Amino acid sequence: QQQVKQSPQSLIVQKGGIPIINCAYENTAFDYFPWYQQFPGKGPALLIAIRPDVSEKKEGRFTISFNKSAKQFSLHIMDSQPGDSATYFCAARGSGNQFYFGTGTSLTVIP
Amino acid sequence: DAEITQSPRHKITETGRQVTLACHQTWNHNNMFWYRQDLGHGLRLIHYSYGVQDTNKGEVSDGYSVSRSNTEDLPLTLESAASSQTSVYFCASSERRDYGYTFGSGTRLTVV
Repeated sequence: QQQVKQSPQSLIVQKGGIPIINCAYENTAFDYFPWYQQFPGKGPALLIAIRPDVSEKKEGRFTISFNKSAKQFSLHIMDSQPGDSATYFCAARGSGNQFYFGTGTSLTVIP
Repeated sequence: DAEITQSPRHKITETGRQVTLACHQTWNHNNMFWYRQDLGHGLRLIHYSYGVQDTNKGEVSDGYSVSRSNTEDLPLTLESAASSQTSVYFCASSERRDYGYTFGSGTRLTVV
C-alpha cells in the first residue's frame, strides 16, 4: 500500500509556466515532508522541505503548500525553466524516522 | 568535499549468485539507508543503519542483508539474486534522523 500518493505521473509545461505536483497521505503521524529532485542518471537531491505547523514555505522559485486538515501538500515551481526538467518525489517521515516516498512525477519544461 | 559514492554503477549478474553493492560516505553521518527505485513504486526502503553495528529492516528487506562495521560503509548484499531484484539501488546518508537525505548516484543492477 502506497503511504504517500503522488500525482500526476508526468507533466509537460511551457517555459515560464507554474507546474504543480500534488501529494496526499493518510498517516497523521507523518511530521516532516521533503521534496526531492532527480535528474537522469543521478540520485535524488533534497530540494525543499516543510513541517506540518507551517502552511507554506518558499525557497527561490520553489514553494510547498501544506494543508494539514486535508492531509495534502504540493510543490509549485514558479517561472519554470527547461533546466527544471527532472523527476520530482515527495516524501513523508513516519514513526521510527522512516521516510515514505511518492511514486514520482516526470516534469518536462518546453522552451 | 564530502561525498557519498556507490559502486559499481552498473552490474549484470546471474540468478542465484551472491552480489554485494558498495556504499561509502565521507560525511561522517551516522545514519545510512538503502533504497530501490522501480517504475511505479518510487523509492522503497530496504535496510537502514543508525550507527556502527546497528542495522534494521525496511519495507522490502527480504533477500537482502547489510552490515555496518564502520561509520563510512554500508554494503548491501543480495544473498541469491533473483530477477525480481533487477532495479536501481540508491544509498543515502543523513546527519540527523529527522533530516533529509544525501543520495549516491545509484547502482543499476540487472539479474539475468
